[in-house]
Amino acid sequence: DQQVKQNSPSLSVQEGRISILNCDYTNSMFDYFLWYKKYPAEGPTFLISISSIKDKNEDGRFTVFLNKSAKHLSLHIVPSQPGDSAVYFCAASGSARQLTFGSGTQLTVLP
Amino acid sequence: GAGVSQSPRYKVAKRGQDVALRCDPISGHVSLFWYQQALGQGPEFLTYFQNEAQLDKSGLPSDRFFAERPEGSVSTLKIQRTQQEDSAVYLCASSPSGTQNTGELFFGEGSRLTVL
Repeated sequence: DQQVKQNSPSLSVQEGRISILNCDYTNSMFDYFLWYKKYPAEGPTFLISISSIKDKNEDGRFTVFLNKSAKHLSLHIVPSQPGDSAVYFCAASGSARQLTFGSGTQLTVLP
Repeated sequence: GAGVSQSPRYKVAKRGQDVALRCDPISGHVSLFWYQQALGQGPEFLTYFQNEAQLDKSGLPSDRFFAERPEGSVSTLKIQRTQQEDSAVYLCASSPSGTQNTGELFFGEGSRLTVL
């Protein structure tokens, strides 16, 4: 039973364009959502987060949008850069301390 | 170092062998987590410590898995009688917060276990 789903295993975009990564969740008790970025042979690193009381959080080129009614969140990267090529994981937390992760989306930014 | 350190980075074990994976969290971090990441999947929660107390071990897949953090700093994940399905990357993460759910986690590079 996957509580956090990333339905696109991969995404390719041209440098300078917008990248949109999507994530769906099923557990309505989740109240905090995060995006992590992972390069090969490295651990995931925190990118951006959003509380369930908000619908948008922005940090430089990265913006996360949350639609609670649809149980959907998305990460927008604009403009995309080749260094953004990595696996992006969506994660969620609720009353329990641990994070529940999606299966990841491999983003490739083409120069 | 300043980050979470894990060792060994790579471990090959024969089926039935016991293995021990070590995690050195960031100094002063209260919370420590272990995750298991199978190929092509996201990290899956195994267990959580707050200081030396193991507060949640609901993700441990069987009684062959055991974790400890005796002095509230370094943690060891032990897998007894390894099976092929144990092959995965084992990630350790720490957090300065002991109570908040909203804190980001700082991950180590992981220990890749291959069971032959």
